[in-house]
Amino acid sequence: EPEVTQTPSHQVTQMGQEVILRCVPISNHLYFYWYRQILGQKVEFLVSFYNNEISEKSEIFDDQFSVERPDGSNFTLKIRSTKLEDSAMYFCASSVWGENQPQHFGDGTRLSIL
Amino acid sequence: AQTVTQSQPEMSVQEAETVTLSCTYDTSENNYYLFWYKQPPSRQMILVIRQEAYKQQNATENRFSVNFQKAAKSFSLKISDSQLGDTAMYFCARLVRSGANSKLTFGKGITLSVRP
Repeated sequence: EPEVTQTPSHQVTQMGQEVILRCVPISNHLYFYWYRQILGQKVEFLVSFYNNEISEKSEIFDDQFSVERPDGSNFTLKIRSTKLEDSAMYFCASSVWGENQPQHFGDGTRLSIL
Repeated sequence: AQTVTQSQPEMSVQEAETVTLSCTYDTSENNYYLFWYKQPPSRQMILVIRQEAYKQQNATENRFSVNFQKAAKSFSLKISDSQLGDTAMYFCARLVRSGANSKLTFGKGITLSVRP
């Protein structure tokens, strides 16, 4: 069964550094998402992406965050200047269509900010 | 408010027994989608089951089934013949639509432990 893949599985970064989290969505999916889960808390929506532009973003997704689909397969989340509170598990997800379709999640990237 | 509530923080069940995980939600929509996701200790997010609100029949996937009560806005997950591998965090989620866009809103999750 096709899967969403995320790399790296664990990223350790110094505060203030830039970090890029990578995702390869399922190949025939058109909608892409990033979610965040701070340890012990619920999963929160960050951003959705369709047709090479952001469809919707949450209040968490401030100017420090950006997303990009640099080629036909990768979907990246960049945090420009990381803060301690950015430490979390980041999940990429994709769906065939945006509306009413189940979202398939990757295994997540654990981001630790020191 | 587009909230999803899981009021039980944790539950425990004996292997081979049946357990029900509760979830309620808030919505003003008439047609919507609900999901249960499983997150084992490895922290993957695995889709367990989904329910379309306009379908009266409760969804079933092998040992997993839901009790969907639309009027009560309740969406509970029943796990039959519990297995040790069912030990995980379980999240209830609702698909929130905004035009052609959609996003998942999750509950806080419930930790399920299956005892041997």
